[in-house]
Amino acid sequence: GAGVSQSPSNKVTEKGKDVELRCDPISGHTALYWYRQSLGQGLEFLIYFQGNSAPDKSGLPSDRFSAERTGGSVSTLTIQRTQQEDSAVYLCASSVTTSGGNEQFFGPGTRLTVL
Amino acid sequence: SQKIEQNSEALNIQEGKTATLTCNYTNYSPAYLQWYRQDPGRGPVFLLLIRENEKEKRKERLKVTFDTTLKQSLFHITASQPADSATYLCARDNYGQNFVFGPGTRLSVLP
Repeated sequence: GAGVSQSPSNKVTEKGKDVELRCDPISGHTALYWYRQSLGQGLEFLIYFQGNSAPDKSGLPSDRFSAERTGGSVSTLTIQRTQQEDSAVYLCASSVTTSGGNEQFFGPGTRLTVL
Repeated sequence: SQKIEQNSEALNIQEGKTATLTCNYTNYSPAYLQWYRQDPGRGPVFLLLIRENEKEKRKERLKVTFDTTLKQSLFHITASQPADSATYLCARDNYGQNFVFGPGTRLSVLP
């Protein structure tokens, strides 16, 4: 079946604009994660959707960042009033269950460039 | 806070040798440690996971260990090949929560 998809693959925006990044997880996967990866750096956890429970938002760097997951499927990460330091690759991953011990399937990422 | 450290930013080895990558964690042992491979411009791909109560796990040329005393996991690739060149990421998985990735080790296997 299809893997995790993300759109757009690339996004160039001007400082101060809002952007929306989309993630389509693997069908039936309960857990969904968003990460940020700056050039040459590791993955920085942003937010974790765990089924019907409240999401873990502890990794969101500021209140300019928000995310939602509608119907337990598609997720959207929104960055308001973008700053140059928001430039990075944003990766989404999904996992079968929320209990841990399961591999995460990653999408190809969205490369965000803030001018 | 829970941290993951991977002690080498980059590792160069000769083809055919065994590559050994180290992952160290702080504070309590996670329920699982996971290892991923990431190629340039792509998302990470899962390789292996090991449970806290397992000492060792193998899959083809890959071997992972989990030492809760040293708070360390070792990742071995035997008979390494140039195609194994990539960045390898270690991640702590505490029942799906507090998922933290290490910074990665960039492995280069030289022909």
